[in-house]
Amino acid sequence: ETGVTQSPTHLIKTRGQQVTLRCSSQSGHNTVSWYQQALGQGPQFIFQYYREEENGRGNFPPRFSGLQFPNYSSELNVNALELDDSALYLCASSLGPGGQDTQYFGPGTRLTVL
Amino acid sequence: GESVGLHLPTLSVQEGDNSIINCAYSNSASDYFIWYKQESGKGPQFIIDIRSNMDKRQGQRVTVLLNKTVKHLSLQIAATQPGDSAVYFCAENKVDDYKLSFGAGTTVTVRA
Repeated sequence: ETGVTQSPTHLIKTRGQQVTLRCSSQSGHNTVSWYQQALGQGPQFIFQYYREEENGRGNFPPRFSGLQFPNYSSELNVNALELDDSALYLCASSLGPGGQDTQYFGPGTRLTVL
Repeated sequence: GESVGLHLPTLSVQEGDNSIINCAYSNSASDYFIWYKQESGKGPQFIIDIRSNMDKRQGQRVTVLLNKTVKHLSLQIAATQPGDSAVYFCAENKVDDYKLSFGAGTTVTVRA
């Protein structure tokens, strides 16, 4: 176990709705990265948060947004859900920003958009 | 597009044999490489990593080899066990980049 937790485990939404996913980082880690993993594919980087600021972003539209709190936990918000947003959403925590520190993943939230 | 890819999508291995999972990368600027294992219904689990100033690194029953000349990475698992059945991803990062770039994964099935 990595110590990274995510909630909820599963979620079903309909197209056009909004969703908030939550992540608690491993103790001592101040950086959280979010990834989207479609079925049968590798994870795709969404964005990274460090010291409550977005530190880097992948090729995702602005309707994907996030927050990081003083305790380093994080939220991923997705507005105007589309069918293609159905995926496993993973968060990963690390000791520092960037990608050169090992990223430890949580179990993920399975989002289904109908 | 993806800069990291795996040679084979599936690998079937007899229990007790050694497994070799291969990965090719195209970005010569990448300097940090990681192998993750993902079991069904779980998040990726860190296995081992290697930096570009090394050619080989060993862990418990696993060895990662890096060949920068041909941009090739491999994961060797010794004495494969049923618990090794999973999808294995290689990921890469380059300095000043925030993200890990993942390949599509290799599904390893261990036969009893």
